[in-house]
Amino acid sequence: KAGVTQTPRYLIKTRGQQVTLSCSPISGHRSVSWYQQTPGQGLQFLFEYFSETQRNKGNFPGRFSGRQFSNSRSEMNVSTLELGDSALYLCASSLGDRQPRGNTIYFGEGSWLTVV
Amino acid sequence: QKEVEQDPGPLSVPEGAIVSLNCTYSNSAFQYFMWYRQYSRKGPELLMYTYSSGNKEDGRFTAQVDKSSKYISLFIRDSQPSDSATYLCAMMDYSGGSNYKLTFGKGTLLTVNP
Repeated sequence: KAGVTQTPRYLIKTRGQQVTLSCSPISGHRSVSWYQQTPGQGLQFLFEYFSETQRNKGNFPGRFSGRQFSNSRSEMNVSTLELGDSALYLCASSLGDRQPRGNTIYFGEGSWLTVV
Repeated sequence: QKEVEQDPGPLSVPEGAIVSLNCTYSNSAFQYFMWYRQYSRKGPELLMYTYSSGNKEDGRFTAQVDKSSKYISLFIRDSQPSDSATYLCAMMDYSGGSNYKLTFGKGTLLTVNP
């Protein structure tokens, strides 16, 4: 079965612009999480959506937002881009159950964002 | 103190060597432990997961969890050049609002030389 799909894979934006990234989870997965990966900070949790509701949120400013659609696909948006937002943005999906087995998380290939 | 500490390496070993990768953690609420492998410019790939102390084996890979010491390890036997990647430990707790959030180590870069 198809894995987690993220688009676009690579993009370059200018400081001050906004960007929208898209994620299609594994079929049947209802939870979608977003992570930011940078060389200095590693992988950091942004937020998680389940059944179109944000269920958990990391420590990122309000410029980072997301949403989930009824088909479980998700988008994240970053407004007023800063140079420090340059990173690999990873989407991950899981069944979203409260039991450990249901929380096995699978990642997509990521969207590489460069802010210039 | 960071919640999860992982030696970034780099770690370089000859082909066939046994590799040991380790993470320590401070949050005793962590109950679910995972190891991911990430090749350059790719997303992390789940290698193994466990939610109890002890060992879990899968082929050449063995994951070990010691909750009393807050220490987890990944052993790779008969390492191959194709194992060259960054290995990330990840953990999750189930208390309150922290569900569904993975906390990662920064990753260890491993190179296996032919």
